[in-house]
Amino acid sequence: KAGVTQTPRYLIKTRGQQVTLSCSPISGHRSVSWYQQTPGQGLQFLFEYFSETQRNKGNFPGRFSGRQFSNSRSEMNVSTLELGDSALYLCASSPKDGSYEQYFGPGTRLTVT
Amino acid sequence: DAKTTQPPSMDCAEGRAANLPCNHSTISGNEYVYWYRQIHSQGPQYIIHGLKNNETNEMASLIITEDRKSSTLILPHATLRDTAVYYCIVRPYYNAGNMLTFGGGTRLMVKP
Repeated sequence: KAGVTQTPRYLIKTRGQQVTLSCSPISGHRSVSWYQQTPGQGLQFLFEYFSETQRNKGNFPGRFSGRQFSNSRSEMNVSTLELGDSALYLCASSPKDGSYEQYFGPGTRLTVT
Repeated sequence: DAKTTQPPSMDCAEGRAANLPCNHSTISGNEYVYWYRQIHSQGPQYIIHGLKNNETNEMASLIITEDRKSSTLILPHATLRDTAVYYCIVRPYYNAGNMLTFGGGTRLMVKP
């Protein structure tokens, strides 16, 4: 079975721009979660989608948004990029609600200049 | 979710057992202990989880104290590839979501 895939793997953007990151979960998995990882703040939860509905949201500004499609693929969008948004963005998928095991993708490394 | 405390770093000799402690003194009755690890530049990887009994799988063993206030992850024969940051997380097994709250973790360095 193919793992979680994230595209693109690397991205460089300028302050003020917007960016869209994509995540394809493992086939059959219905839950997709997004995390931001920075050296200063560590791994922080952004949001989670289950069957196209956002179920949980972390403490991030409204510039961070996401969605999930009927095929469980998910996208996250960051508008009006700031330097502090430079981070590794990780996507994880789970086969069901409350699953003890989540499968993480390799991440998208976003650099904002 | 209950808070966990882990040492920031540990060293282990290759081939020896690595014992990574985790304190979760405020854990509640419906919360499980999960362990993940993150090898440099990769996404976190699930290792093992448990409620109150000791658990073992092909990667590691998890020892949970009787009062459930602390646990130890054991890598029986550490290799250089086990060098990673190890995260101990407590959360309900079933709730309305799959959110994980990561702490600082323990940076394990396996040395030849």
